[in-house]
Amino acid sequence: GEDVEQSLFLSVREGDSSVINCTYTDSSSTYLYWYKQEPGAGLQLLTYIFSNMDMKQDQRLTVLLNKKDKHLSLRIADTQTGDSAIYFCAERNTGTASKLTFGTGTRLQVTL
Amino acid sequence: NAGVMQNPRHLVRRRGQEARLRCSPMKGHSHVYWYRQLPEEGLKFMVYLQKENIIDESGMPKERFSAEFPKEGPSILRIQQVVRGDSAAYFCASSPTSTEAFFGQGTRLTVV
Repeated sequence: GEDVEQSLFLSVREGDSSVINCTYTDSSSTYLYWYKQEPGAGLQLLTYIFSNMDMKQDQRLTVLLNKKDKHLSLRIADTQTGDSAIYFCAERNTGTASKLTFGTGTRLQVTL
Repeated sequence: NAGVMQNPRHLVRRRGQEARLRCSPMKGHSHVYWYRQLPEEGLKFMVYLQKENIIDESGMPKERFSAEFPKEGPSILRIQQVVRGDSAAYFCASSPTSTEAFFGQGTRLTVV
């Protein structure tokens, strides 16, 4: 079955870059997503990448996909205190009724 | 264009009562998904619906849980005879296609 794994915690200084990593097992994943969840809130879609791409950039966010290693990363440039949140990686396989399989989330703490 | 609307935001039920959670998808979205998030965990898929049809309910517990998405009105997730283990945040997502999914703010169910 599908499995998505993330490290639990990351701490960075304000202004530095953050890199959040994710590995997945389903080789037929078609889309991979990054969501942000602030305390007590819902999930905000940050970005997604199609499996035939290896990189996508959107302002301060860069997504890298290594399909061979089934590794996805999210880089946040110039990290700000407002970036403190839990970041979820998720994958979608269109062969499974388009449901998302989520990782357990990485809690990003930004320190001054 | 309003986002995905869920209500109530917070719901407290005594053991044995029924919980009804509502989700109004974004305008024009015909795909609705329900996910459950236990404390300190990622989101787990429960059910995928389109108007008047359950497409995939592989994540739904076999007993006490049901979901519908009628022709008119919101999608409803219904939990009968709630138990303490049902306490969680329940998120609804909607999608116009099978690519992007937009989440509501969630309903936080507490069973006392």
